[in-house]
Parts: sequence; C-alpha cells; structure tokens
Amino acid sequence: NAGVTQTPKFRILKIGQSMTLQCTQDMNHNYMYWYRQDPGMGLKLIYYSVGAGITDKGEVPNGYNVSRSTTEDFPLRLELAAPSQTSVYFCASSSKGPGLGAYEQYFGPGTRLTVT
Amino acid sequence: KNQVEQSPQSLIILEGKNCTLQCNYTVSPFSNLRWYKQDTGRGPVSLTIMTFSENTKSNGRYTATLDADTKQSSLHITASQLSDSASYICVVSKAPYSGAGSYQLTFGKGTKLSVIP
Repeated sequence: NAGVTQTPKFRILKIGQSMTLQCTQDMNHNYMYWYRQDPGMGLKLIYYSVGAGITDKGEVPNGYNVSRSTTEDFPLRLELAAPSQTSVYFCASSSKGPGLGAYEQYFGPGTRLTVT
Repeated sequence: KNQVEQSPQSLIILEGKNCTLQCNYTVSPFSNLRWYKQDTGRGPVSLTIMTFSENTKSNGRYTATLDADTKQSSLHITASQLSDSASYICVVSKAPYSGAGSYQLTFGKGTKLSVIP
C-alpha cells in the first residue's frame, strides 16, 4: 500500500520555466490537497479538490494550476516559475474534510523545488 | 485572525528524558486539533487527533492534551529516543458550520526537537 506518492523528489527550475508536480494516492480518497512549506513557516494550502472534476483555490493559489480528472491523481502545474515559488511542496489526501471530524490526512514525501 | 502558536521553537533534550511541547490557538469555532511528526526531508505523519470532547489522547509514548476552554494543547513525549528527533506540528481545523470549508486547516510553525545521546 503506497499511500500518497509524489514525483519528482527534487527539481531545479530556471525563472520562467514551467513544470508539473505529480501526486497519486491509492486509498480512494475524495479529498486531495497541495501545500507549500517555506522554511520556518507553517504549511500553506495552495489548492484542494473534493472529488474528480472539482477543484478550488486555497490560501496561496497565484502562479499555480491544478486539475483532477481521476480520483487517484492531482497534478500541480507551475507556470512561469518565479524565485518566490522556491519551496517544499506536499500533496495530501483524506477520505473526508478534516473539519468534519477526526479524518486522517495523509501526506506524500514532498517535492523540493528551487527556482533560480 | 485564526492562528496557531507553538512553543518552544526548538528544544534539545537528552535521550531517555521527557519533554512537553505547547500549542495555543485562536481558531474558532473549533472542530479538532492534530499533532503531526515531521522527520527531516519527509512529509508530516499524524500522531493524534482530538475533538472538542476529548482532553487526552495517547499514541505510544506520545500523549496529547487539549483544553478547549483556554484553547491550549500540549504534546508530552515520555522516555525520549533518538528517533524522536523531528519537528512536531500542531494543526487546528475549523468547524464547517461557521461557513469555513471542511478542508480548512491552520498549521503551526512547529517545534524542532533534537534528542541527543
């Protein structure tokens, strides 16, 4: 049981380049999330999805896009990379929204992205 | 503003000793509070989740407490081991009946714990 997997683990981008961070979960969870974690800061929500075909913005969505064509996959697209997007990106999933009760949220191992 | 504050920022303890990490929050209305362990270079892993009616929850050597009246939580680690070296993150979720989405979580900045031999 792999849980939440992310690729790549590391990436260096030049300013203005684009890339897609991949996220897959095998737990048949409806909810999926993308967070970024900057040094010394709490995780910030970029985008989330409550099911295939449904996505919405979180706290810090500017510069990113997402899609959710299947239950399993939730890729995050960076267009025109900027140094401010240097961060560690985590994908997560849960069966239901965490505000609804004690529903576990499972995190992937993260992607460390540097934009220079 | 919904906030989660953790203290101390960092802590160094000797192997075998106990320690307590603190979390204060202003998130309201409250749904539940979570403690995560994050090893360096890894994703957070859930330790405990406590709802409004729970004031203590244990997971092995980890015991979390919650005082919903004072909006405080603590994580107590007993007989620390070298493998406990990690960041510990307190996370609070808002009750969705407030108009907030059920997806919303407020993350603390974490306490970095180092256990030394």
